[in-house]
Amino acid sequence: ILNVEQSPQSLHVQEGDSTNFTCSFPSSNFYALHWYRWETAKSPEALFVMTLNGDEKKKGRISATLNTKEGYSYLYIKGSQPEDSATYLCAFLDQTGANNLFFGTGTRLTVIP
Amino acid sequence: NAGVTQTPKFQVLKTGQSMTLQCAQDMNHEYMSWYRQDPGMGLRLIHYSVGAGITDQGEVPNGYNVSRSTTEDFPLRLLSAAPSQTSVYFCASSYWQGVTNTEAFFGQGTRLTVV
Repeated sequence: ILNVEQSPQSLHVQEGDSTNFTCSFPSSNFYALHWYRWETAKSPEALFVMTLNGDEKKKGRISATLNTKEGYSYLYIKGSQPEDSATYLCAFLDQTGANNLFFGTGTRLTVIP
Repeated sequence: NAGVTQTPKFQVLKTGQSMTLQCAQDMNHEYMSWYRQDPGMGLRLIHYSVGAGITDQGEVPNGYNVSRSTTEDFPLRLLSAAPSQTSVYFCASSYWQGVTNTEAFFGQGTRLTVV
């Protein structure tokens, strides 16, 4: 069992604000770090799969960075919109075992119009 | 393209009953898995499979069985339901390239209540 931690647990921001959250994971045996967006009553959907130290990924107003040496990833949302309200999950893929994903508990974002 | 289809969406069981949660994917993914989601906890892996005929235990396997007779289907069986198995269950699939997975695709979830 690997410890993947996300902070904060929840976040309320005003529409138009930019925000970011953190995912911490073991820095050894790293293979990949995934970010998922999970809307209420739906299933998680992938945002990014990151594999290299220093990776930066971007999709619209959402971007992510990766530091495998120190074991953290940041997810940024620029100019938050109400439709960004969701739980954001990160998942760590280690190189031992069968390449299973280990999930954090998520950051629940609420964007207030 | 249906993706990952999971049934049923809701189920209420009495303690001691058994049932099977169905999961099917049409993306020819080698890797399939079952997770449970409980309040305050991340998705926890129950069982997984890296191909037809191959299954293995995840983090919380007790009380559950799986089989993988085809690439498409990966059912999860609750042998004798207990209140502790009240949870939301997700099936997921992905390509398995032997080194790193690509992204996982999730079913819609099954909300199970055991009374």
